[in-house]
Amino acid sequence: RKEVEQDPGPFNVPEGATVAFNCTYSNSASQSFFWYRQDCRKEPKLLMSVYSSGNEDGRFTAQLNRASQYISLLIRDSKLSDSATYLCVVKGDGYALNFGKGTSLLVTP
Amino acid sequence: DTAVSQTPKYLVTQMGNDKSIKCEQNLGHDTMYWYKQDSKKFLKIMFSYNNKELIINETVPNRFSPKSPDKAHLNLHINSLELGDSAVYFCASSQDGDRGLREAFFGQGTRLTVV
Repeated sequence: RKEVEQDPGPFNVPEGATVAFNCTYSNSASQSFFWYRQDCRKEPKLLMSVYSSGNEDGRFTAQLNRASQYISLLIRDSKLSDSATYLCVVKGDGYALNFGKGTSLLVTP
Repeated sequence: DTAVSQTPKYLVTQMGNDKSIKCEQNLGHDTMYWYKQDSKKFLKIMFSYNNKELIINETVPNRFSPKSPDKAHLNLHINSLELGDSAVYFCASSQDGDRGLREAFFGQGTRLTVV
């Protein structure tokens, strides 16, 4: 079983839509969780950290369910500029951040 | 100022050659990484260093040798390059926090093409 699993998509949504991505992780002892965004031919960049109580940053909401070992990202009012690959990241054993394979999002006019 | 910088950005070389990729971070972080992103876009950790000590060494051929002269630098040397080594290599750094690792900051990547 992979450390971090995501639905690869692609998700094609119209502008203004709400879209949700899910992620599951295998290490129940994980303590740190993140969502990253990667644009084509660019480096991954932090979108937001994920906290136990859930957190929101503008149009983006992240949720963590430790019991189910499940992380989600909700994007409201999608913009064209949200088109990218969204990477679920979980701290593994020791000093490692384990990445999911990413979920591809395309927002269309 | 670039937080994590790696050079070169592009590297085209022939099979069998030896090459190095350099990485430097000016964030004062204790932990640095090398990740490989293959053609399927999967980011896989190769090595992790904490305070110049090797912490993680995933199943990577021993042709790959990381070197950390100080905690701000983590270089990657690759011997006897093979076609399958073609990928984008990302350097990253992060800092331990009270609740575990904080987020990692990535360099721009080195696109290695072996011909």
